[in-house]
Amino acid sequence: QPVLTQPPSSSASPGESARLTCTLPSDINVATYNIYWYQQKPGSPPRYLLYYYSDSDQGQGSGVPSRFSGSKDASANTGILLISGLQSEDEADYYCMIWPSNVVFGGGTKLTVL
Amino acid sequence: QVQLVQSGAEVKKPGASVKLSCKASGYTFTTYAMHWVRQAPGQRLEWMGWINADNGDSKYSQKFQGRVTITTDTSASTAYMELSSLRFEDTAVYYCARAGTVTAGTVTTSPFGYWGQGTLVTVSS
Repeated sequence: QPVLTQPPSSSASPGESARLTCTLPSDINVATYNIYWYQQKPGSPPRYLLYYYSDSDQGQGSGVPSRFSGSKDASANTGILLISGLQSEDEADYYCMIWPSNVVFGGGTKLTVL
Repeated sequence: QVQLVQSGAEVKKPGASVKLSCKASGYTFTTYAMHWVRQAPGQRLEWMGWINADNGDSKYSQKFQGRVTITTDTSASTAYMELSSLRFEDTAVYYCARAGTVTAGTVTTSPFGYWGQGTLVTVSS
């Protein structure tokens, strides 16, 4: 079972941007897969935010603001979630996911909006 | 609107089994796969397996192989997840989630766009 590595925590101030990363193991090429991102707040199920494959193949979840966006860093074999114009309501846990043959979630990043 | 409504909380003893349900509404049940994901207290999301609601084919995480069974009752638009030989570390919130569109028996990956509310399973002696 592959492991997706996410930093356990990240913080930024309101109005700033947060860049959350999801690093794939070296034997899985990030360019090959959709990277899905989910937001989870305490006591609630995860909420689908978006997926990113490439600039021409990406999608936003229903009702998800455009200040949430995805990208990849091929050199680091990493998927990226960028949240611009941070708001206090963005404080949550964020999980990445891939779906090769089986579904794999990352360990999650707790985002604190200071 | 799409809804996934899960059964209520369970308390089980070690070694017992638990069977959870997830009733879907607002879409044609057999056109999507249904997954089960669990989350132990304060821990990460953990994918358990999924079922093609059209033909009943299922696939499980290697971690749970042999202990988990996912089934459906298409007449009731309901998916079930049974976990056996429960251990203390199986204490978690269990979610069903809809993902993967089914066309001609084949599942195409798609986001986990809809989730159930979660069912807390507590394993305690």
